Amino acid sequence: GENVEQHPSTLSVQEGDSAVIKCTYSDSASNYFPWYKQELGKGPQLIIDIRSNVGEKKDQRIAVTLNKTAKHFSLHITETQPEDSAVYFCAASGSGGSYIPTFGRGTSLIVHP
Amino acid sequence: GAVVSQHPSWVICKSGTSVKIECRSLDFQATTMFWYRQFPKQSLMLMATSNEGSKATYEQGVEKDKFLINHASLTLSTLTVTSAHPEDSSFYICSRAGTGGLVGEQYFGPGTRLTVT
Repeated sequence: GENVEQHPSTLSVQEGDSAVIKCTYSDSASNYFPWYKQELGKGPQLIIDIRSNVGEKKDQRIAVTLNKTAKHFSLHITETQPEDSAVYFCAASGSGGSYIPTFGRGTSLIVHP
Repeated sequence: GAVVSQHPSWVICKSGTSVKIECRSLDFQATTMFWYRQFPKQSLMLMATSNEGSKATYEQGVEKDKFLINHASLTLSTLTVTSAHPEDSSFYICSRAGTGGLVGEQYFGPGTRLTVT
């Protein structure tokens, strides 16, 4: 089955800096890669996603890049703000038509004001 | 706005009792919904896939007689934790698939914090 590795587990940045979270996956048949933001005590919220036919996608301050050959994808947050502090999960799915994502272990992002 | 709701948002129950958690799809008739469990500082673990009008599909290691899932309508799935024990204390989250027919999309509910004393 699919295996998703996520790094780092904790990321601490100053407000205004950029943050990058990286994930690798093992199943070359996976074709959908979402990123979720989970605030304390809440459910995960989809913030951006990318499909395997696209190399990069951007939405305001967040962007995701995908390297299919190397089987890794990254989340980039620019101009970080304290409200960006949360746990971020990457995931991979789509292999065999499955709706069920395999999640990374999560990255706790702390943005210091 | 939210597309999946859960009720209650938190619940405390005594060991040995049962507790029911509801998950509603607010904007879409979902034939399939999913239940996850999340322990503190850990990732989401899929417990089961809830199928409207048929039996749920449980992941390996999840006791189907302990975690009863009922998907009686296209907008409601329920998870009942039977004979709860302190080790069942966790954050339970449901989700549904996206509406665009695209494989992989999931939208999550706000979660239910269960504490068993």
